[in-house]
Amino acid sequence: DAGVTQSPTHLIKTRGQHVTLRCSPISGHKSVSWYQQVLGQGPQFIFQYYEKEERGRGNFPDRFSARQFPNYSSELNVNALLLGDSALYLCASSLGAVGTEAFFGQGTRLTVV
Amino acid sequence: GENVEQHPSTLSVQEGDSAVIKCTYSDSASNYFPWYKQELGKGPQLIIDIRSNVGEKKDQRIAVTLNKTAKHFSLHITETQPEDSAVYFCAARDSGGGADGLTFGKGTHLIIQP
Repeated sequence: DAGVTQSPTHLIKTRGQHVTLRCSPISGHKSVSWYQQVLGQGPQFIFQYYEKEERGRGNFPDRFSARQFPNYSSELNVNALLLGDSALYLCASSLGAVGTEAFFGQGTRLTVV
Repeated sequence: GENVEQHPSTLSVQEGDSAVIKCTYSDSASNYFPWYKQELGKGPQLIIDIRSNVGEKKDQRIAVTLNKTAKHFSLHITETQPEDSAVYFCAARDSGGGADGLTFGKGTHLIIQP
């Protein structure tokens, strides 16, 4: 079985641009969460989606948005990119809404110049 | 919100020795505590987890202990091997509030010396 897949693996964008990152969860998993990992730090929670509904949001500005599709894949969108948005963006897949293990993809390395 | 502190930030041990990484958390409502291993260029890999109704859990060379009263939990790796070298993260989660987001510590860089 395929694990969590994310695309693209690397991305370079210019300040002020917009970016879309994509995630496909493990087959059968209905929950997708997004995390931002800045170099040298632990991942920080951005969003959780379950059955296409947002279930939670971390402390991130409105420039960050996400959605989940009927096939449970998800997109993370970031508008008006700042240099500080440079990070590894991780997607985590879980079977249910709460209380189940989270499995991470390899991440998308975003560099904002 | 939850705050997770992790120590040490770097740990160097001789191959074959044991390694212990410690974490404390602030929110007494947290009830799930996973540990992740992250190798260079990869996403975090779940290696073991523990729930608040259990005090200790073991999986081969890896064990986790939880003290809910003191709000701390630890990862123990015995008979360390070169492939154990990586960054380890602890995390905590309170699933009662609706969202299921994990709060991570800052990580421990484990170095296994040959």
